[in-house]
Amino acid sequence: QQQVKQSPQSLIVQKGGISIINCAYENTAFDYFPWYQQFPGKGPALLIAIRPDVSEKKEGRFTISFNKSAKQFSLHIMDSQPGDSATYFCAAPSPGGNDYKLSFGAGTTVTVRA
Amino acid sequence: GAVVSQHPSRVICKSGTSVKIECRSLDFQATTMFWYRQFPKQSLMLMATSNEGSKATYEQGVEKDKFLINHASLTLSTLTVTSAHPEDSSFYICSASDSGVTGELFFGEGSRLTVL
Repeated sequence: QQQVKQSPQSLIVQKGGISIINCAYENTAFDYFPWYQQFPGKGPALLIAIRPDVSEKKEGRFTISFNKSAKQFSLHIMDSQPGDSATYFCAAPSPGGNDYKLSFGAGTTVTVRA
Repeated sequence: GAVVSQHPSRVICKSGTSVKIECRSLDFQATTMFWYRQFPKQSLMLMATSNEGSKATYEQGVEKDKFLINHASLTLSTLTVTSAHPEDSSFYICSASDSGVTGELFFGEGSRLTVL
């Protein structure tokens, strides 16, 4: 599996603040970069994904930015809310794999304080 | 989004017994499903790719005789942990794609296995 490096490991943000999580990948068969949100004891749920014919995708308070030349992509959570407190994983397609064989980053635990 | 269901959500068993976990795609057909393992506060580690009608493809380091995978239909894959031991205790998660309809990967709710 390819290596996907994710940072930071954890972050604490005040309600209303911005949470930023960064990921870098080595190689990928094609450009598809999803972010998953996971609550304790639950499976991951797709939050937002980008297929970079664009460099940025926004859905509500969540934005993905993608820099192909740097092989980096990031998740921005605007106006962070206590309900956003969860672990977030970035992912990228494994080289040589099919469309859905993903490698995951190590995860970032986000805590939003009221 | 599409729904992937896992059962059981929690299972406790004695060392040496075998445990079967089911993964179902409820509203779509999945030719490929994936099985992941997750330790507390860690990332998801891909164990194997489950292909409908053929043998599973295991990742390096995963014992195929320990973790038996069967993908008998387009909506069901099973993971059997054989002769389970305490070190097999983990959170097992399956995922499936809707074969290009949305291009997304959907995850089940996970199954917590505890081996005593």
